[in-house]
Amino acid sequence: DADVTQTPRNRITKTGKRIMLECSQTKGHDRMYWYRQDPGLGLRLIYYSFDVKDINKGEISDGYSVSRQAQAKFSLSLESAIPNQTALYFCATSSGGVETQYFGPGTRLLVL
Amino acid sequence: AQSVTQLDSHVSVSEGTPVLLRCNYSSSYSPSLFWYVQHPNKGLQLLLKYTSAATLVKGINGFEAEFKKSETSFHLTKPSAHMSDAAEYFCVVINQAGTALIFGKGTTLSVSS
Repeated sequence: DADVTQTPRNRITKTGKRIMLECSQTKGHDRMYWYRQDPGLGLRLIYYSFDVKDINKGEISDGYSVSRQAQAKFSLSLESAIPNQTALYFCATSSGGVETQYFGPGTRLLVL
Repeated sequence: AQSVTQLDSHVSVSEGTPVLLRCNYSSSYSPSLFWYVQHPNKGLQLLLKYTSAATLVKGINGFEAEFKKSETSFHLTKPSAHMSDAAEYFCVVINQAGTALIFGKGTTLSVSS
């Protein structure tokens, strides 16, 4: 089984809809991250959490919110989706530091 | 602020020839630098990291990178490309607070037979 899983893997939604992307990990890591990837822009950090009670905004948090339900679960929500949130979203985990991060397979989101 | 610039968006090589992916960094102090690789339809994987020890860093799958402070560069090399090396490669630096990774825009490596 994969250490970092993301659900769904693909999602199509409409403008204005609320959507949640979920991430679970079995690595026992304390730190979790959400990134978005756009062609030609690399990965940009949306939110990160160093433990269940610690949530921090990243470079591009506007329009997104997160919830750390447990050490192993970190969800990303789009309260009212818009077309420019169409992207590939990655969850990642790390332990003790930020250097070595383990990435999930990604969720491809299309907002119409 | 810390940043990295990948000088090529796309590099094409033939199988068996050397690979060079270029990365320059900007940092007000000695940075921690990394290369991550993303194979098609996969998540990212750490390839190698520099954290102020040896300036020549060896990674997985025969890749290595050399930290050159005088040139503010951290180029990724491999002596002989393999078809399985075709992927997107990201040069990465840690932010000043040490709380997050900052990714370059990526270089797509194509390998032809």
